[in-house]
Amino acid sequence: GDSVTQMEGPVTLSEEAFLTINCTYTATGYPSLFWYVQYPGEGLQLLLKATKADDKGSNKGFEATYRKETTSFHLEKGSVQVSDSAVYFCALTHRGTDKLIFGTGTRLQVFP
Amino acid sequence: DTAVSQTPKYLVTQMGNDKSIKCEQNLGHDTMYWYKQDSKKFLKIMFSYNNKELIINETVPNRFSPKSPDKAHLNLHINSLELGDSAVYFCASSRGEGGYTFGSGTRLTVV
Repeated sequence: GDSVTQMEGPVTLSEEAFLTINCTYTATGYPSLFWYVQYPGEGLQLLLKATKADDKGSNKGFEATYRKETTSFHLEKGSVQVSDSAVYFCALTHRGTDKLIFGTGTRLQVFP
Repeated sequence: DTAVSQTPKYLVTQMGNDKSIKCEQNLGHDTMYWYKQDSKKFLKIMFSYNNKELIINETVPNRFSPKSPDKAHLNLHINSLELGDSAVYFCASSRGEGGYTFGSGTRLTVV
């Protein structure tokens, strides 16, 4: 079945450091790919998405590129802030299914 | 205005009790969901409803019964609560293709 694999956390960085959170997927066909973020005590918020190969999703300085050849959707940010500390979830869904399949989440901790 | 609202935010109850969690969305979405997040933050879909019709039931024990009185509401009733039911339950809605809007979650603790 379809699945999403994320790097284990926590990822600990100093403010203004470069961030990469790896995400790879296993799926038939051409899924849509997403990054969601969960701040402490809150629900998940859609951060960015890409619906076809080579698409780049971006939002709030974060970006991720849909790489079909490597089945990856790595999340990057050039300069993290303390306020970016949260759990980040990679997810996929197939057109018409509406069922989001999540990775296990990666906790990011940013220190001043 | 909260787009997807769940109540209660916290729920502490004893084993064997029956409890309900309510969810309402004001986004006009046709599809609503329940997800369970365990202590390790893993998220798994439990149910989805499209316009009051059950679409997905992910082999959840039949102690869990979703009810959708209309497309803006999806409630979750749990009978005979067990310790393993302790988790955070998230309601969500979508217009399709993964663009979900999540509620802020209900933390259920069974003691």
